[in-house]
Amino acid sequence: DPKIIQKPKYLVAVTGSEKILICEQYLGHNAMYWYRQSAKKPLEFMFSYSYQKLMDNQTASSRFQPQSSKKNHLDLQITALKPDDSATYFCASSQEAGANSDYTFGSGTRLLVI
Amino acid sequence: QQKVQQSPESLIVPEGGMASLNCTFSDRNSQYFWWYRQHSGEGPKALMSIFSNGDKKEGRFTAHLNKASLHVSLHIKDSQPSDSALYFCAVSMGYNQGKLIFGQGTKLSIKP
Repeated sequence: DPKIIQKPKYLVAVTGSEKILICEQYLGHNAMYWYRQSAKKPLEFMFSYSYQKLMDNQTASSRFQPQSSKKNHLDLQITALKPDDSATYFCASSQEAGANSDYTFGSGTRLLVI
Repeated sequence: QQKVQQSPESLIVPEGGMASLNCTFSDRNSQYFWWYRQHSGEGPKALMSIFSNGDKKEGRFTAHLNKASLHVSLHIKDSQPSDSALYFCAVSMGYNQGKLIFGQGTKLSIKP
C-alpha cells in the first residue's frame, strides 16, 4: 500500500485556472514537504511544514499556497496557472523536520498547463 | 547559494559491471548527504545516506564522502537491469530543517 498518496496522478489545466494538489501520508510523520520537478531541472524545494506549521518557503510566487487541514495532509493550491507551472509536483514527509531526516516521497502529480 | 552538480549526465554499464556516480557541492557547511533513485513514473526513493567522511557500504552500494574535496560518490557493484534509473545526490545544510538541495541527476542504464 502506498504510504504517501498524491491525487490526482495527472492533471491538465487551462492557463489562468486554479487547481489543488492533494497529499496524504500514512507514515505517522510530523514533517511534510512539497518539491517540484521540471524538465531539465533538478528537484526544487518549495515548502516545508512541521506539526502543521510552515517552516520554510522557497517559492517566489504567492500563487502557490500550501494548506494543512490535518496533521497528515499537506495540499498545494496553485492559482492563476501559467504554462511554466507545468511540472511534476512531489509531496514528501519525514519523521521530524531535522537536517538529517530521511524523506519518503509520493509518486507525484504531473501537471500540464495549456 | 549551494550548488550541487552531478556527473556524468548519463552512464551505460554492462550487467554485472560497476557503476560510479559523482556529485560535487559548493558549500563547505554541507552536513548530510543522500543518494536517491527514481524509476520512470515514480517518486524518488532514498538509497542511502552518508554523514561522515569515508566509505559506507550497504549491500551492492557504496557511498564515499570527502567533505574537504566537496565530493560524494556512489558506486554500484554487480549492476542489475533493475538498477536502470535516474540517480540524484541530495545535500542538507544542517540548519535548514529538512530542506534538501538536489543535483540534476545521472541517468544510469544497465545493458543486459
